Amino acid sequence: AQSVAQPEDQVNVAEGNPLTVKCTYSVSGNPYLFWYVQYPNRGLQFLLKYITGDNLVKGSYGFEAEFNKSQTSFHLKKPSALVSDSALYFCAVRGTGGFKTIFGAGTRLFVKA
Amino acid sequence: DVKVTQSSRYLVKRTGEKVFLECVQDMDHENMFWYRQDPGLGLRLIYFSYDVKMKEKGDIPEGYSVSREKKERFSLILESASTNQTSMYLCASSLPAGEGNQPQHFGDGTRLSIL
Repeated sequence: AQSVAQPEDQVNVAEGNPLTVKCTYSVSGNPYLFWYVQYPNRGLQFLLKYITGDNLVKGSYGFEAEFNKSQTSFHLKKPSALVSDSALYFCAVRGTGGFKTIFGAGTRLFVKA
Repeated sequence: DVKVTQSSRYLVKRTGEKVFLECVQDMDHENMFWYRQDPGLGLRLIYFSYDVKMKEKGDIPEGYSVSREKKERFSLILESASTNQTSMYLCASSLPAGEGNQPQHFGDGTRLSIL
C-alpha cells in the first residue's frame, strides 16, 4: 500500500536561513513524488515533482527537493527562507500506473523575520 | 493557466439536508477529484472520475455521491448531511496519469459547516 509520512507537524526557521521539510514514502514500483503548498484559505499549489532522472529537482519560488531512493525520502529544501514562505506544505506520492495520489498530513512552516 | 472553480467558498447547511458542491475546470482535463481536508489528516480522497459519467470510490466515499455529466464539471453530493461532514472540501483536476504524470490543479476549496 502507498503511504506518505511528514514527521514534523511544524518547522520554524529564521528568515535568510536554509529550510528543510521532510517527507518519506512507501510505494510499489517507481514513485512519482510531488510537493504542494497551501496558503491560508486557498487550495493547494504545485511546487515541484520527481518522475525520473536527476535526484535534485528544482521547482517554483526557489524551492528544490532531493530524492533519495535508498532512504525513500523526498525532502523539500530552500537555501534562504522568506517570511512569505510561511504556509502549509504537503508531500504526495503516486505509484507507477496508479490513479490515486496519496498526500501526507502536511507540515506547517513558520519563517520568522 | 489551469483554473479550477468551486462554486462556493463558504457554505452553512443543516443536518439532513442534501448538499451540492460544484466544481468546474477550464483545461479539458480528463481526471477530476474530490478531497476533504481536516487538520492533522491531510487530504483524503472521496471520489474521482477519469471520464464523463465514470466515477471511482476513493478512501472515504460513505455518505457522498458524485456526478459528472460534462467533462468540465464534477459535482459532489452529500445525500443527507451530518455534522461529521463539516470540513474543507477541495476539488482538483489533472491530465491522465500516463501523460507525463502532470500534477493536480486545485480549486480554492469550500468550507462547509453542518449545523
